[in-house]
Amino acid sequence: GQQLNQSPQSMFIQEGEDVSMNCTSSSIFNTWLWYKQDPGEGPVLLIALYKAGELTSNGRLTAQFGITRKDSFLNISASIPSDVGIYFCAGQLFNDMRFGAGTRLTVKP
Amino acid sequence: GAVVSQHPSRVICKSGTSVKIECRSLDFQATTMFWYRQFPKQSLMLMATSNEGSKATYEQGVEKDKFLINHASLTLSTLTVTSAHPEDSSFYICSARAGTLYEQYFGPGTRLTVT
Repeated sequence: GQQLNQSPQSMFIQEGEDVSMNCTSSSIFNTWLWYKQDPGEGPVLLIALYKAGELTSNGRLTAQFGITRKDSFLNISASIPSDVGIYFCAGQLFNDMRFGAGTRLTVKP
Repeated sequence: GAVVSQHPSRVICKSGTSVKIECRSLDFQATTMFWYRQFPKQSLMLMATSNEGSKATYEQGVEKDKFLINHASLTLSTLTVTSAHPEDSSFYICSARAGTLYEQYFGPGTRLTVT
């Protein structure tokens, strides 16, 4: 499907820093998902959001489902080297699922 | 969490041959399975959606006679790349979902190289 607008495309941060990335769309979704993909692997689901305004945490990760249902953000606090990878957002409306282009995160020790 | 497996993880084949990739949901029944293709440093490109027991729905530009998809059971879908060519070399990833209101879980991917 068509891609969502995901930003930034890449981030280079120092270990310990916080990270924020977001996705926007012109369409509404009933589910927002955030995945992480390591090189040569399939994406792994990090957080799933089902309600507008929902704020959900998974360890150092926090994500929110935008109130307009057209956007979502993912925050990573106190980054560590193993956070390196590509993060994809995905918006789902029944059988239609669209992906962002990904945010490539590099963490310097 | 839900687990999806893919086999093989890597395959090298000669041009003109066919290759079959299996996708299995190990701990849940998948009413729908999806097949994606991913080029280096790019996002996932949906190729087709398959529901158990019915024909797959292919995305525009994806040749259904070249990429044969079979979803014979609630835990298994297969993608067969027929008469493979070097330009078919790519990373193929499947995903599975228990229902329309459920999230997709991805397999680990299959790296296909056609020589």
